Amino acid sequence: QTVVTQPPSASGTPGQRVTISCTGSSSNIGSKYVYWYQQLPGTAPKLLIYRNNQRPSGVPDRFSGSKSGTSASLAISGLRSEDEADYYCAAWDDSLSGVVFGGGTKLTVL
Amino acid sequence: EVQLVESGGGLVQPGGSLRLSCAASGFTFSSYSMNWVRQAPGKGLEWVSYISSSSSLIYYADSVKGRFTISRDNAKNSLYLQMNSLRDEDTAVYYCARDLGDSYGVRWDYWGQGTLVTVSS
Repeated sequence: QTVVTQPPSASGTPGQRVTISCTGSSSNIGSKYVYWYQQLPGTAPKLLIYRNNQRPSGVPDRFSGSKSGTSASLAISGLRSEDEADYYCAAWDDSLSGVVFGGGTKLTVL
Repeated sequence: EVQLVESGGGLVQPGGSLRLSCAASGFTFSSYSMNWVRQAPGKGLEWVSYISSSSSLIYYADSVKGRFTISRDNAKNSLYLQMNSLRDEDTAVYYCARDLGDSYGVRWDYWGQGTLVTVSS
């Protein structure tokens, strides 16, 4: 069964702001940090957001994360064509004693 | 430069075994926890296993528990995944990833390029 849920797809035009949601439960998002990964086609995932809303060095401030209760969101402002990728949220799950990923959201820049 | 290079993937029959390796360079391997993550063709990411820097703490996903064994050799800067009793659903690209050590976190900053495991008769 799906532990953490993301919309399968999202889209926007260049310059727009898009958000991707990630919904979990009290055993994961509700009590643990949320992390976001970006996976460009044919490449390994890249850490985008850690500890709910922190950006690693080198990640543009167009990317931001937030968390409230058992849900989290990734926002991308000033959308660019190179943002077209798959985005995954992840968190530790106390019930499973392991990491859970959302199913991934494919972002299309129209 | 930090590098993680996986190897050992290939075609294996259901019920067979395979051992994956991840060679690390460019950092002090013995100071970092490591993870294996897999991605079935056209599917999303799935965490497989975690090992702490000293191998004292190990976790597995339920889907591989009892069949896969994670290990490391800090003297050889290498991470391993022994996969036994392989099933069709284990077919995936397997990545190793360096863990930055957030407590119960998923802060993985470097990933390998992945190695493809195909389970098929």
